[in-house]
Amino acid sequence: GAGVSQTPSNKVTEKGKYVELRCDPISGHTALYWYRQSLGQGPEFLIYFQGTGAADDSGLPNDRFFAVRPEGSVSTLKIQRTERGDSAVYLCASSVNTDYNEQFFGPGTRLTVL
Amino acid sequence: AQSVTQLGSHVSVSEGALVLLRCNYSSSVPPYLFWYVQYPNQGLQLLLKYTSAATLVKGINGFEAEFKKSETSFHLTKPSAHMSDAAEYFCAVSAGGTSYGKLTFGQGTILTVHP
Repeated sequence: GAGVSQTPSNKVTEKGKYVELRCDPISGHTALYWYRQSLGQGPEFLIYFQGTGAADDSGLPNDRFFAVRPEGSVSTLKIQRTERGDSAVYLCASSVNTDYNEQFFGPGTRLTVL
Repeated sequence: AQSVTQLGSHVSVSEGALVLLRCNYSSSVPPYLFWYVQYPNQGLQLLLKYTSAATLVKGINGFEAEFKKSETSFHLTKPSAHMSDAAEYFCAVSAGGTSYGKLTFGQGTILTVHP
């Protein structure tokens, strides 16, 4: 079956612009996670959803970052007033639920802020 | 708070040699521990996980890891390296409780396998 998909695969934007990154989880997975991976680093947790609600958003770095999952499936990570330091690969993962089940990762969206 | 330290950002072995990738964790609660592998231009894939059952955990592709509470370690091993094992490996810890879905990752270890 289809895995986690993320669009776009690459996004280049200018400093100060607004961007949206999309994640399509595996069908039937109720939990969805966003991570950010900077060059040479491990993934860094941003937020996770159980259904439509954000169960833990403690990793969002500041109020420029926001994520939604209105129907409990597709999620969008939104970044306002982008900064060069936001450049990274943004990873999405999903799992059947959050009970220590395997998190299946997508290929990521590489964001470059010029 | 949880944290993970992977000792050695790069490990190089010969094909057929033992693979040992080191991971130490810090957790204020009983941890749940994971090893993920990332091949070039691919997403992270779960190799194995420890969730308080057997301390020796077997995963895919011949990898295994042993949870040692006294040493706060969860090292990954494979008896005989194969060329296809070349990738980046990440150790991760989950807090449990209300944040059990949140993984904290180490910085990763790049494994190179020489013929």
